[in-house]
Amino acid sequence: TQLLEQSPQFLSIQEGENLTVYCNSSSVFSSLQWYRQEPGEGPVLLVTVVTGGEVKKLKRLTFQFGDARKDSSLHITAAQTGDTGLYLCASRYNNNDMRFGAGTRLTVKP
Amino acid sequence: EAGVAQSPRYKIIEKRQSVAFWCNPISGHATLYWYQQILGQGPKLLIQFQNNGVVDDSQLPKDRFSAERLKGVDSTLKIQPAKLEDSAVYLCASSLHLVTEAFFGQGTRLTVV
Repeated sequence: TQLLEQSPQFLSIQEGENLTVYCNSSSVFSSLQWYRQEPGEGPVLLVTVVTGGEVKKLKRLTFQFGDARKDSSLHITAAQTGDTGLYLCASRYNNNDMRFGAGTRLTVKP
Repeated sequence: EAGVAQSPRYKIIEKRQSVAFWCNPISGHATLYWYQQILGQGPKLLIQFQNNGVVDDSQLPKDRFSAERLKGVDSTLKIQPAKLEDSAVYLCASSLHLVTEAFFGQGTRLTVV
């Protein structure tokens, strides 16, 4: 059972467009991580958000943590083909075990 | 700094056979994770170690899967006997402590035929 719900499941856009993907849970997060995974590789951490309402920017990527710490979003401005990949959110529960959502598979077409 | 090392990268076995995967975490990392990632899905936590103790193994199918981290460093994950539905990428990750960033290996792609 996935405790983290990610949407959309798939997203295909043209280079230069903007996009937003979402991560939601019925539980309050103590912290939330966003990872990006390319084919044949393990996930790589993009950012960790901890404080409700927090906004972090990483170049063209903007991460937002909901005020109630039950949701998060990742916004990409002017997407590039190199942004193609699987975007995963993850959080820690009970014993600090780290669990992932199902991911959003992003394809950016030239 | 060396990353998380996993071997083998690929493995093909017949159903009902046994298989073992090996993971060498980043030096000094106390927490080690094994995940199963089925094609098109997010990673599913199988087991999490803190040093050589188990933090969580609630999603590990214990009738066929086992994992150990005897000296609190390297870890092995075993499947015996394998089923077709075990075909997946098995990812190992490590973190300095329970709440810090996790670093992933490249994974072992298992195909059960």
